[in-house]
Amino acid sequence: RKEVEQDPGPFNVPEGATVAFNCTYSNSASQSFFWYRQDCRKEPKLLMSVYSSGNEDGRFTAQLNRASQYISLLIRDSKLSDSATYLCVVIDSLRGYQKVTFGTGTKLQVIP
Amino acid sequence: EAGVTQFPSHSVIEKGQTVTLRCDPISGHDNLYWYRRVMGKEIKFLLHFVKESKQDESGMPNNRFLAERTGGTYSTLKVQPAELEDSGVYFCASSQGVSTGRLNTEAFFGQGTRLTVV
Repeated sequence: RKEVEQDPGPFNVPEGATVAFNCTYSNSASQSFFWYRQDCRKEPKLLMSVYSSGNEDGRFTAQLNRASQYISLLIRDSKLSDSATYLCVVIDSLRGYQKVTFGTGTKLQVIP
Repeated sequence: EAGVTQFPSHSVIEKGQTVTLRCDPISGHDNLYWYRRVMGKEIKFLLHFVKESKQDESGMPNNRFLAERTGGTYSTLKVQPAELEDSGVYFCASSQGVSTGRLNTEAFFGQGTRLTVV
């Protein structure tokens, strides 16, 4: 089993739709979680952190379910500019250092 | 504050040649990571430095790849000799160490080096 898994997609959704991505992780002791966004031919950039209590930033909502070991990203009212690959990132603190593991990424295409 | 910088941004080399990629992390970041994205595939981990030490190099594909981080500052990734399948985008990322007491630290990425082996 991969350490961090995502549905690669692509998710093709119309403008204005709501879309949700899940990401599962294998290490129950993982401590920090993030969603990154990667546009075509660009580097990944932080979209939002994921907290135990969940967090919301405008149209984006991230949630963490420790019991089932997954994180989710919900995008409401999709815009064309939301088209990108969304990467789930899990950070583990092991023996005094951090290990950053990426999911495979989920490709989102918002269609006019 | 300067971000993670990578050089060169693009490199086109012939099969069998040697290429060296460089990454300058954010100043003070102990953790430095190399990742690679091959066309049409996901980002894959190559290796992780903590300061100058290789903490995890389980993702290095073979012994044609050599990474160094002398003095715990910038890092280089050398591919020698390059093969066609080495083509892709090589990303470097850095993050603060856990010794800072901050566990929820994000990783910052460089813009990547696009390597094309012909």
